[in-house]
Amino acid sequence: QQQVKQSPQSLIVQKGGISIINCAYENTAFDYFPWYQQFPGKGPALLIAIRPDVSEKKEGRFTISFNKSAKQFSLHIMDSQPGDSATYFCAASKGSARQLTFGSGTQLTVLP
Amino acid sequence: DAGITQSPRHKVTETGTPVTLRCHQTENHRYMYWYRQDPGHGLRLIHYSYGVKDTDKGEVSDGYSVSRSKTEDFLLTLESATSSQTSVYFCAISGGTGELFFGEGSRLTVL
Repeated sequence: QQQVKQSPQSLIVQKGGISIINCAYENTAFDYFPWYQQFPGKGPALLIAIRPDVSEKKEGRFTISFNKSAKQFSLHIMDSQPGDSATYFCAASKGSARQLTFGSGTQLTVLP
Repeated sequence: DAGITQSPRHKVTETGTPVTLRCHQTENHRYMYWYRQDPGHGLRLIHYSYGVKDTDKGEVSDGYSVSRSKTEDFLLTLESATSSQTSVYFCAISGGTGELFFGEGSRLTVL
């Protein structure tokens, strides 16, 4: 039972291009939607997060777009850089304990 | 970096042996979590804790038990390890704001 579905599995982008990763969720009780970035050999780290009362959140080159009616959210990386090459996970959570349900991950490669 | 230490970082064991992974935090955070990471599955929650001696099951808890006798320590035990438990295990902590801070992982291989 995969409550958060993520696509694509892998993505290759040229330097300066836009990277787009999509996620869809099933549980309408989810109320917190973060994106995590993971480099090889490291634990995931929070990149940006959104709550369902807004449709978009931007932090530097990273933007989350949120569509509550479609139960979808996406990560846009503008002006992608080789240093952005990593695995990206979307996630969702509910409740005070904030246990996250993760998507399956997207391996992003930005070519120089 | 959040003060999270996982030990051991690497372990190779045989099927049927018990294994304990330790997570130690210096942040005094209330919530602690154990996830496993496998290709194609992302990270899946095994167990979590919302206080000393307060724990609950996650999505993939079968074959695992946990204990939290002190705020700073959260132990994950595999009573009898199986090859399907070969994985990278991540501990995470949270102060309740929603952001989880992850350790660097423990790679377990069960032969």
